[in-house]
Amino acid sequence: DQQVKQNSPSLSVQEGRISILNCDYTNSMFDYFLWYKKYPAEGPTFLISISSIKDKNEDGRFTVFLNKSAKHLSLHIVPSQPGDSAVYFCAASGGATNKLIFGTGTLLAVQP
Amino acid sequence: DTAVSQTPKYLVTQMGNDKSIKCEQNLGHDTMYWYKQDSKKFLKIMFSYNNKELIINETVPNRFSPKSPDKAHLNLHINSLELGDSAVYFCASSPGLPQGEQYFGPGTRLTVT
Repeated sequence: DQQVKQNSPSLSVQEGRISILNCDYTNSMFDYFLWYKKYPAEGPTFLISISSIKDKNEDGRFTVFLNKSAKHLSLHIVPSQPGDSAVYFCAASGGATNKLIFGTGTLLAVQP
Repeated sequence: DTAVSQTPKYLVTQMGNDKSIKCEQNLGHDTMYWYKQDSKKFLKIMFSYNNKELIINETVPNRFSPKSPDKAHLNLHINSLELGDSAVYFCASSPGLPQGEQYFGPGTRLTVT
């Protein structure tokens, strides 16, 4: 059972525009959510996180929004840059062990 | 400075062999993890150690055995390798529990022939 879902396998955006990546989850026990970026042949790199007590967290060009009632989170990147082209994974955790449950990823392509 | 390192980066071996992947972190973190990314690019937790104590042990064949000699190291030993073990294995670490971002190593691509 896929507890964290990223329904868009790919997204293409023009440089300078906003990229919006979406993620849905089913487990209401999740209380911490993260976004990771991954380039080919490298490990995932942490981008930004949000606790369930918040509905928004911002870090530079990256903003994560959490809608607990809809069990939905999104990552906004603005303005998008060609270097942002990568696979983006959302992940969620809950409970005492910090076990991350990952989504299947969205491949973002930012066109110059 | 490399934060989380893994060796080797690539590992090609035959079915039935035993192999190990090593992981080291120099971040001073208390918790370390092993993840597997399969052919469908799906990342799944396998094991986690906190201060050398096993705290997560997912449904993984007992041919896989993690070993943590100290807080900075978490090695993965795999016995009797099978074709289905071919995947990319990632090590990660985090400052502690219950929450916190995890920092990943570069991955080890294991190919079993």
